[in-house]
Amino acid sequence: EPEVTQTPSHQVTQMGQEVILRCVPISNHLYFYWYRQILGQKVEFLVSFYNNEISEKSEIFDDQFSVERPDGSNFTLKIRSTKLEDSAMYFCASTRGLWDEQYFGPGTRLTVT
Amino acid sequence: DQQVKQNSPSLSVQEGRISILNCDYTNSMFDYFLWYKKYPAEGPTFLISISSIKDKNEDGRFTVFLNKSAKHLSLHIVPSQPGDSAVYFCVAGDNAGNMLTFGGGTRLMVKP
Repeated sequence: EPEVTQTPSHQVTQMGQEVILRCVPISNHLYFYWYRQILGQKVEFLVSFYNNEISEKSEIFDDQFSVERPDGSNFTLKIRSTKLEDSAMYFCASTRGLWDEQYFGPGTRLTVT
Repeated sequence: DQQVKQNSPSLSVQEGRISILNCDYTNSMFDYFLWYKKYPAEGPTFLISISSIKDKNEDGRFTVFLNKSAKHLSLHIVPSQPGDSAVYFCVAGDNAGNMLTFGGGTRLMVKP
């Protein structure tokens, strides 16, 4: 069964450094998402992406964040200058159409020291 | 922000019995609802969904009930199996279809 994959599974970085989290969505999916879950808190929506542009973003998704689909298969989340509070599990998700169920990847655990 | 609330952080059930997980929401703009389950070190996995125009949806052992006037939904699992032990998230989607709003999750433990 097709699945969403994410790399790396765990990323440790120093505060102020840039990180890029990578995702390969399911191949025939058209809508792509990033969510995050800070330890002990809810899963929170960050951004949705369709047709090579952002469709919606949350308040969390400020200027430090950006997303890109550079080559038609990968979907990346970049954090330009990481802060301690960016430490979280980041989940990528994809879906074929709006209102279809979203398929989630296994997540990347980001630790900012 | 408590738009989707799961008041029970954990639930323990004997194998073979019914598990009932509850969820309340506040936002009238939510148009459809989903239940996801999550095992440790994995991403959330879709389980079942319901549109706001329905009050019940059934898929095998899983049934979701929606009471729109009370802004309440529940997931019934019957019979419960030890493999059902996981964290269950109540999730809501709005009519724009972009973002999902998650509840805090309920950890279900099914004892053999």
